[in-house]
Amino acid sequence: DAMVIQNPRYQVTQFGKPVTLSCSQTLNHNVMYWYQQKSSQAPKLLFHYYDKDFNNEADTPDNFQSRRPNTSFCFLDIRSPGLGDAAMYLCATRGGLSGAEAFFGQGTRLTVV
Amino acid sequence: TQLLEQSPQFLSIQEGENLTVYCNSSSVFSSLQWYRQEPGEGPVLLVTVVTGGEVKKLKRLTFQFGDARKDSSLHITAAQPGDTGLYLCAGARGTGNQFYFGTGTSLTVIP
Repeated sequence: DAMVIQNPRYQVTQFGKPVTLSCSQTLNHNVMYWYQQKSSQAPKLLFHYYDKDFNNEADTPDNFQSRRPNTSFCFLDIRSPGLGDAAMYLCATRGGLSGAEAFFGQGTRLTVV
Repeated sequence: TQLLEQSPQFLSIQEGENLTVYCNSSSVFSSLQWYRQEPGEGPVLLVTVVTGGEVKKLKRLTFQFGDARKDSSLHITAAQPGDTGLYLCAGARGTGNQFYFGTGTSLTVIP
């Protein structure tokens, strides 16, 4: 059974129209991550939560926001998507202990038209 | 500047050949993970190495963690077309929670 679930798998949005991507986990992990992955590149960390503590990477654009209403759910909000935001968005969870492994969802492929 | 540098970036080999992928950093990691990712899917965990000098084997894959815990390698013996994919090392420094990926190695095994 999937432990990290991302919805939807594919999302098409219009240029400038706000969009929200969802992630849920059944692992009860403290840490949740959002990554952006463009074609043929490695995933790039956007931000992470440790419980309710939000940690933004220095180079994450302001256009990207996140919410974590409870342990199980985390959302990625893109306020005004541009063509350059088309990518695969990956959610991951981790136990928060030193050496703990990260587990990933299947990703959401975002297309901006 | 990338925290974790992988080499080579691209690798295309014939079925049956051996290969090694390297993951290097100037920082010490409490552990490193190796993932394999297929197009359109999320990364799938292959192995975690924790102890400096540790060697782990997973069928035809051998993973090694450097003595100083700053680098790791993945060796594949007798590569098969099913090994094709993007190989990523990843880890968190010390006790931090930021979990970073290496630059990735795209492997193609030609039948």
